Amino acid sequence: SQKIEQNSEALNIQEGKTATLTCNYTNYSPAYLQWYRQDPGRGPVFLLLIRENEKEKRKERLKVTFDTTLKQSLFHITASQPADSATYLCALGHSGGYQKVTFGTGTKLQVIP
Amino acid sequence: DTEVTQTPKHLVMGMTNKKSLKCEQHMGHRAMYWYKQKAKKPPELMFVYSYEKLSINESVPSRFSPECPNSSLLNLHLHALQPEDSALYLCASSQAGGPNTGELFFGEGSRLTVL
Repeated sequence: SQKIEQNSEALNIQEGKTATLTCNYTNYSPAYLQWYRQDPGRGPVFLLLIRENEKEKRKERLKVTFDTTLKQSLFHITASQPADSATYLCALGHSGGYQKVTFGTGTKLQVIP
Repeated sequence: DTEVTQTPKHLVMGMTNKKSLKCEQHMGHRAMYWYKQKAKKPPELMFVYSYEKLSINESVPSRFSPECPNSSLLNLHLHALQPEDSALYLCASSQAGGPNTGELFFGEGSRLTVL
């Protein structure tokens, strides 16, 4: 069966360090992979999209890698801040239908001052 | 502030009631989505509309009835719901084609409680 798993349900990290979140998937052939941030009681907010033919994408303090051989994406937040504390969701866009976006299980990140 | 507006923010209904959730966007997006999210779980896709036509229905029970009256509006009609349908219902929109397809813009959600 198809699965999208984020390895940690929760991750605590010290302010200023780099947070690394992992997204693994099985039985998918995604056209692209996305990362979203969700704060409690609010809708997810789009952060980054990386396509199947791209290895790495950066945006300010964020970096995403995508390895279609390992079926894995890594999401890095450098110089983490308490304001980065939130749940981070990876999501796959299916090659069979660009509009079908399926979310992973999520990782709750807590940045400790 | 999100550019996708959902109303109402909170809704409490009985199992015999009929109610509707509404969503509006003015970004010119031609794809609109309904997702359901239970506590501590990821959003689950329910429906996708593309150019005002239903393109994806993820085997959602018929007590949920979507409607897309025009390119800016999306409704979810609710009837004879069960307590297990209590959840956060999220509306999203995106471009329907081109390189940015799939970048979803979410509303703040409608918190539904079924008694």
